[in-house]
Amino acid sequence: DQQVKQNSPSLSVQEGRISILNCDYTNSMFDYFLWYKKYPAEGPTFLISISSIKDKNEDGRFTVFLNKSAKHLSLHIVPSQPGDSAVYFCAASQLSGSARQLTFGSGTQLTVLP
Amino acid sequence: EPEVTQTPSHQVTQMGQEVILRCVPISNHLYFYWYRQILGQKVEFLVSFYNNEISEKSEIFDDQFSVERPDGSNFTLKIRSTKLEDSAMYFCASRIRFGQGVYSYEQYFGPGTRLTVT
Repeated sequence: DQQVKQNSPSLSVQEGRISILNCDYTNSMFDYFLWYKKYPAEGPTFLISISSIKDKNEDGRFTVFLNKSAKHLSLHIVPSQPGDSAVYFCAASQLSGSARQLTFGSGTQLTVLP
Repeated sequence: EPEVTQTPSHQVTQMGQEVILRCVPISNHLYFYWYRQILGQKVEFLVSFYNNEISEKSEIFDDQFSVERPDGSNFTLKIRSTKLEDSAMYFCASRIRFGQGVYSYEQYFGPGTRLTVT
């Protein structure tokens, strides 16, 4: 089941530069997208989300862009900080029933180098 | 800041034994979930729970699994007869029914329980 794909397993970025994490999806019924950050031995931490009625959402250093026609979203972190080093998961949900369970990508390990 | 808690952090059990994983969701949240992550694999949805009943479940959530909200705070996942392939991190999550915005469906996750079946 590859409904949500993160094709880059890892990304290294210099401190202060921009980190861009990418995510593709195949299910056109997905209408809400989220990014989570995960440290080892911890649960996923919610970062930012976007509804399909928008193409951009911004929260501090984090911006998520959604391109519905390409079924693609990206997370921009600027400026990147060493504390941002973690695994980043893209997730999606659809309005089937009311539960809105999440479908996750496989994650991208971000390393921010000092 | 309110958070989802889970106990135990690590559970070791023998194949065929029953285990109960416990979660305390955020107090004003109304939807509760269990997910699992087998080592090296994606986080997978197991089940969602709302208004004291299962609202959705995945193919993974077979008759060996059950969930319960025995009181106003706890949310449990029971595996009746564990198998080796049940070894995974199990995450509990919760979300408020209506978020702060019109479209706000974020789920908040606990730290997870590592289940090891030997």
